[in-house]
Amino acid sequence: EPEVTQTPSHQVTQMGQEVILRCVPISNHLYFYWYRQILGQKVEFLVSFYNNEISEKSEIFDDQFSVERPDGSNFTLKIRSTKLEDSAMYFCASSEGEPGYTFGSGTRLTVV
Amino acid sequence: KNQVEQSPQSLIILEGKNCTLQCNYTVSPFSNLRWYKQDTGRGPVSLTIMTFSENTKSNGRYTATLDADTKQSSLHITASQLSDSASYICVVSDSNYQLIWGAGTKLIIKP
Repeated sequence: EPEVTQTPSHQVTQMGQEVILRCVPISNHLYFYWYRQILGQKVEFLVSFYNNEISEKSEIFDDQFSVERPDGSNFTLKIRSTKLEDSAMYFCASSEGEPGYTFGSGTRLTVV
Repeated sequence: KNQVEQSPQSLIILEGKNCTLQCNYTVSPFSNLRWYKQDTGRGPVSLTIMTFSENTKSNGRYTATLDADTKQSSLHITASQLSDSASYICVVSDSNYQLIWGAGTKLIIKP
């Protein structure tokens, strides 16, 4: 069964550093998403991406964050100048359209 | 305000027993309701997706119900297995396809 692949599975970074989280969505999917989940809390929407541009973003997705689809297969989330409170699981998801989303296994980001 | 509330917060049952998890929502307008299973440290995996007109949907030992009038859904797990230990998350999509996430029910199956 096709899956969404995320790398790395775990990233530890120092506060103030930049990190790039990588995702390979399912090949025929057109819609891409990033979500995060702080330990013990609800999953939170960050951003959706369609047709090479951001289609929607949440209040969390401020200037510290950016997304890119640098080639036909990868979808990246960049977090500039990381803060302690950015520590969370970050999930990438993709879909052909509503309603079926497929989530990746996540990247656990730890900011120290 | 659009909200999804789940109960109980956590549940412990013995292997082989059945259980039912609840979800109440205030999302309007409503598009669909999903149940996801999330193993610890993993991404959510879809169990069922139901639209307004669907009352019941099954996926193996998982059966979801939806009452769109009372804005309630339930997920029933039959003959639980140790591998069912996970968080079960109810997610409601509005007509703009915004997903409103519940906090989940943490289910622990004991041998």
